[in-house]
Amino acid sequence: DTGVSQDPRHKITKRGQNVTFRCDPISEHNRLYWYRQTLGQGPEFLTYFQNEAQLEKSRLLSDRFSAERPKGSFSTLEIQRTEQGDSAMYLCASSLGADNGYTFGSGTRLTVV
Amino acid sequence: AQSVAQPEDQVNVAEGNPLTVKCTYSVSGNPYLFWYVQYPNRGLQFLLKYITGDNLVKGSYGFEAEFNKSQTSFHLKKPSALVSDSALYFCAVRDNTGGFKTIFGAGTRLFVKA
Repeated sequence: DTGVSQDPRHKITKRGQNVTFRCDPISEHNRLYWYRQTLGQGPEFLTYFQNEAQLEKSRLLSDRFSAERPKGSFSTLEIQRTEQGDSAMYLCASSLGADNGYTFGSGTRLTVV
Repeated sequence: AQSVAQPEDQVNVAEGNPLTVKCTYSVSGNPYLFWYVQYPNRGLQFLLKYITGDNLVKGSYGFEAEFNKSQTSFHLKKPSALVSDSALYFCAVRDNTGGFKTIFGAGTRLFVKA
């Protein structure tokens, strides 16, 4: 297992378009997390899954954001009707249980123009 | 609310000198604390964690962290800094109020000068 993979690495989209990101976690990890990071800030929690169940979603997340983790494997994060304020690095991480450190992917950098 | 504070935006240290990156936390229940590092153009990497036990925790790349319950602090330390340690460091705490997600601080940029 080579770690957490995210695709694409970069995405440039026009305002109003929909985008979808994919994350492939470490296979034996049951927890998967999505974070967003803007320049000069720490990662900001978006949502997380335990196996296929989405257990928590940040109140900061608007209805334009949705995430899925079918069959408890890979996950997708979709942003509908993108806005310039959505421009950020979107990070995926996975862990085995709640007590262990996360393994992060390299992230997807979204630029909305 | 669970939170972490990193009071220094930047820390400068000369190579070979000891370094400390500060972190304080606020959490209900037992604190589960973490340090992560982000090198330029690379993803976040887990360094070390404190769950319970010895207040001095050792981690990757020669880093260690000292948990101090009375001061609610979890400072990251290294006895002798390397230029290659220059990076962005994040302190984090597990949210014990539900879900157990990790909450990150704003980060401290470490510059190690040769």
